[in-house]
Amino acid sequence: DTGVSQDPRHKITKRGQNVTFRCDPISEHNRLYWYRQTLGQGPEFLTYFQNEAQLEKSRLLSNRFSAERPKGSFSTLEIQRTEQGDSAMYLCASSPGAGGPSSTDTQYFGPGTRLTVL
Amino acid sequence: AQSVAQPEDQVNVAEGNPLTVKCTYSVSGNPYLFWYVQYPNRGLQFLLKYITGDNLVKGSYGFEAEFNKSQTSFHLKKPSALVSDSALYFCAVRYGNKLVFGAGTILRVKS
Repeated sequence: DTGVSQDPRHKITKRGQNVTFRCDPISEHNRLYWYRQTLGQGPEFLTYFQNEAQLEKSRLLSNRFSAERPKGSFSTLEIQRTEQGDSAMYLCASSPGAGGPSSTDTQYFGPGTRLTVL
Repeated sequence: AQSVAQPEDQVNVAEGNPLTVKCTYSVSGNPYLFWYVQYPNRGLQFLLKYITGDNLVKGSYGFEAEFNKSQTSFHLKKPSALVSDSALYFCAVRYGNKLVFGAGTILRVKS
């Protein structure tokens, strides 16, 4: 299967701990996105990478959150000093970005990482 | 700012009957609209998108959507519902680099 993969699928942690999630996009997709989804809501945008460059960050992304995409391949999302309000599904998506405008790209989503902060 | 609204929290339909899941949008400029489906504890699966051209867009699993500029709507439709179509459906609009999603509509198809 060559879809977007995320690891781990589930993470339970205690408040105050740091967690890191990994996303592997579809091969050769240049664009990568992180979203957060809470119960009963649609996904909300967190951040966007074009290759290794982080080009946009949401105001939702507090200074406890950091995302990287070294070498323009996989990406990691780290949350420091987790809070109970961080409990959510974290979704990663990728899109081709082969020279066309990003606005018409289709984003393909991974299965998500469900974070529970106790 | 771009936004979408899904006015129905839940839609119930009998298997074999046509289904419609509603979406209205508010955008400045050309709307780029998407439908995704989410099964329990899974990520989102792309169904279809409208960028330009024909107002009737055909997508995966027999779904289609009708773009109506005058009514600012992009309703998802299927001629004959299956029990396996039961899931959570999201409408989204592209805003810059990101997708802005509606709150979602639960579709329940009963046999």
